[in-house]
Amino acid sequence: EPEVTQTPSHQVTQMGQEVILRCVPISNHLYFYWYRQILGQKVEFLVSFYNNEISEKSEIFDDQFSVERPDGSNFTLKIRSTKLEDSAMYFCASSEQMGTEAFFGQGTRLTVV
Amino acid sequence: SQQGEEDPQALSIQEGENATMNCSYKTSINNLQWYRQNSGRGLVHLILIRSNEREKHSGRLRVTLDTSKKSSSLLITASRAADTASYFCATVTNQGGKLIFGQGTELSVKP
Repeated sequence: EPEVTQTPSHQVTQMGQEVILRCVPISNHLYFYWYRQILGQKVEFLVSFYNNEISEKSEIFDDQFSVERPDGSNFTLKIRSTKLEDSAMYFCASSEQMGTEAFFGQGTRLTVV
Repeated sequence: SQQGEEDPQALSIQEGENATMNCSYKTSINNLQWYRQNSGRGLVHLILIRSNEREKHSGRLRVTLDTSKKSSSLLITASRAADTASYFCATVTNQGGKLIFGQGTELSVKP
């Protein structure tokens, strides 16, 4: 069964460092998303991406964040200068059509120290 | 916030019993989805109900949607210990494809 894969599963980084979280969405999906979940809290939308551009982003997704689809398979989330409050589980998701069933990866647990 | 509350926040039942979780939201929606999350893992899509639908079934799952009350419920019948997880509702509006999640219900099914 096709699945969304994310790497790494865990990432520990120093405050102020840049991190890149990687995702491989399901191959025939057209819509890609990043969400985050701070420990014990609800899942929050960060950004959606379609046709090689951002289609929507939340207030969380400020200038420190960027997304890229560098090739036909990968979808990355970059945080330029990490803060302690960026510590969370980051989930990538993809869907075939806008607003339909989303398939989530297993997440990257980011810890900023 | 587009999303209201889910209740209960936590639910503990015995195997074989039914579990009902409720979700409320605030804005008009295109569809509402339910997801399951095992501890520390990714979210798994369970079921999608469109705004013009009132009830949907999938195996042991039954979802209802009342757009006049802006609420939905998820019923899991004949629960199993393996159903132990957190369950989230998520709404999708007509303005885009993002999912807006509720706080979730933590379900514990005791064998």
